[in-house]
Amino acid sequence: DGGITQSPKYLFRKEGQNVTLSCEQNLNHDAMYWYRQDPGQGLRLIYYSQIVNDFQKGDIAEGYSVSREKKESFPLTVTSAQKNPTAFYLCASSSGPYNSPLHFGNGTRLTVT
Amino acid sequence: QKEVEQNSGPLSVPEGAIASLNCTYSDRGSQSFFWYRQYSGKSPELIMSIYSNGDKEDGRFTAQLNKASQYVSLLIRDSQPSDSATYLCAVNLISGGYQKVTFGTGTKLQVIP
Repeated sequence: DGGITQSPKYLFRKEGQNVTLSCEQNLNHDAMYWYRQDPGQGLRLIYYSQIVNDFQKGDIAEGYSVSREKKESFPLTVTSAQKNPTAFYLCASSSGPYNSPLHFGNGTRLTVT
Repeated sequence: QKEVEQNSGPLSVPEGAIASLNCTYSDRGSQSFFWYRQYSGKSPELIMSIYSNGDKEDGRFTAQLNKASQYVSLLIRDSQPSDSATYLCAVNLISGGYQKVTFGTGTKLQVIP
């Protein structure tokens, strides 16, 4: 079955460590997105990419980095510069670029202590 | 002004009633609009998409769009306890060839048996 796989489901890290969240899709979608969700909040856009080797900063990109070396993969690195990294991270893709709905992975819950 | 605004709720309706969820957006260039449902701890799932002014019906759900008023709504008829969830409004803006999807903070719906 086609879909978006995020791994791991839960991730625990010590403060000051970088951590990379995985996102893989086999939907052959061009566009991929990373969102962050805090308790009781909506989704805030971190980074998005329409094609391989190209990506754009979203509304809260500071402290995060991404790469898009392959169409099916869009990993997100949470760096030590991110002040409050504990959150629920959602990866999404769309067949894009125009007017296409997003399909979401199951998310990764990151806890930094 | 937030790009996408929703009343956070909770909105409580009795079982069998109509639930009305509202969303306003700030960018007149927005081209497509989506409603997602999110159960606690889960990822969002697409309920409806709407692209032109007017109503769009799908089963118990009706999406309404008024671009002049920058307003989009979701009606849920014959509400069921299983409809209890957070409903996220998402707005798609195409800029420079990039599709940026922005979410509201969501409205929590409680359907009372």
